[in-house]
This record gives sequence, structure tokens and C-alpha cells, in this order.
Amino acid sequence: QKEVEQNSGPLSVPEGAIASLNCTYSDRVSQSFFWYRQYSGKSPELIMSIYSNGDKEDGRFTAQLNKASQYVSLLIRDSQPSDSATYLCAVNVAGNNRKLIWGLGTSLAVNP
Amino acid sequence: DTGVSQDPRHKITKRGQNVTFRCDPISEHNRLYWYRQTLGQGPEFLTYFQNEAQLEKSRLLSDRFSAERPKGSFSTLEIQRTEQGDSAMYLCASSLGQIYNEQFFGPGTRLTVL
Repeated sequence: QKEVEQNSGPLSVPEGAIASLNCTYSDRVSQSFFWYRQYSGKSPELIMSIYSNGDKEDGRFTAQLNKASQYVSLLIRDSQPSDSATYLCAVNVAGNNRKLIWGLGTSLAVNP
Repeated sequence: DTGVSQDPRHKITKRGQNVTFRCDPISEHNRLYWYRQTLGQGPEFLTYFQNEAQLEKSRLLSDRFSAERPKGSFSTLEIQRTEQGDSAMYLCASSLGQIYNEQFFGPGTRLTVL
């Protein structure tokens, strides 16, 4: 059974701090990894994609991938109250780049 | 607006009725996905199209669910004889179909079955 696991949270951080969100996956040969942000009652919004080991930065967001450890993370620097949302980790099914396997999401609360 | 659009945004129906949802993908995207999401869960894959061909359907999907994508453009998802357990957010996503397959979601259709 291919799985993606995330801590459900809630993760609470003060405004201006770094929020660190983690995700592990079971399928060793997965190729692509995504972080989506979802506000309550809204649809998921793609915020980061990562395909190679290492770090990928985009504004205040940094995605980190370690395929050997089957681990992907998302760092949010200078967290803002508007970052309060659920963050979903998604991983492609190995050998099948059509379908994503989703984690249950981590709820983040950024406190002013 | 060049994003994925869905219609209607909300649907309330009585148990046993049929409902149909529409999704218009980003124009150059050849892959289209339908998902269902309930509170506290990640999106659950329902079905997938490449152009007009329906290439995969979830084994968990009841025969009451059917989807089409005529001419490889917009798609419709129909649920026949709705049940209360069908109440969920129905999400449509599209992608270019490149190897890494980034998927972009529409706003969703919230279905409530009374």
C-alpha cells in the first residue's frame, strides 16, 4: 500500500517565525513531490513542486527532498497569519505519473 | 481567468436525485482529473482523462458515478441516485501531461445530499 504520511497538527507558530512541515512516503521510486495549500472550504492550491534531492526555494517557501530517507519538507519563513491553512503533501505513483497519492494534511496556525 | 473552472459551486439535492457537475480545464492541458474530498481527508482520486480517453477509474467508485470528456475539452461528472454518503467537495484538476505532472485545481463543487 503506497502511503504518504504527515503530522495532522495543528502546528502553531508565532508571526515571523519559521514553520516546518514534514512528509514521509513509502514508495521508494516516486519521482515528483508537491506541496499544496488549502484554506478552509477552498480547493488545494499548488505552492511548490520538487523533483531532485536538495532544496528548492520560491520566495518565503523552501521545499527539501531527501529520496534516500523518503522525506520531503516545506519551510515557510517569516510566517504570516495569512499562511494559516492546511498543507497537503502529494507524491506521484511510481511508474504512473498520472495519479497522486495524498497525505491527510497538516494544519498550520500562525498567531499574530 | 485562465484557470480551471467548475460549475456549479454548490449543489443541494435530495437523496435519490441525479446530479451533474461540469469542469473546464486550463485550455492547453490534456489531462483532467476528478477527485472527491471530505472534511479532514486528502483528495480521493475518482477518475482521469487524457484528452477524450478515460484511462483510469477508481476501483472504489460506485457504478452510480460516470464521467465524460467529449472532444477532450470540458468534462462532466454525473452521480445517479445520490446517497447521503455522496456529500463531499468534488474537485477537478488539469495538467499538461509532462513527466512531473503538476496538477492545478478548480474551485470545486460542494455537494450536499439531504
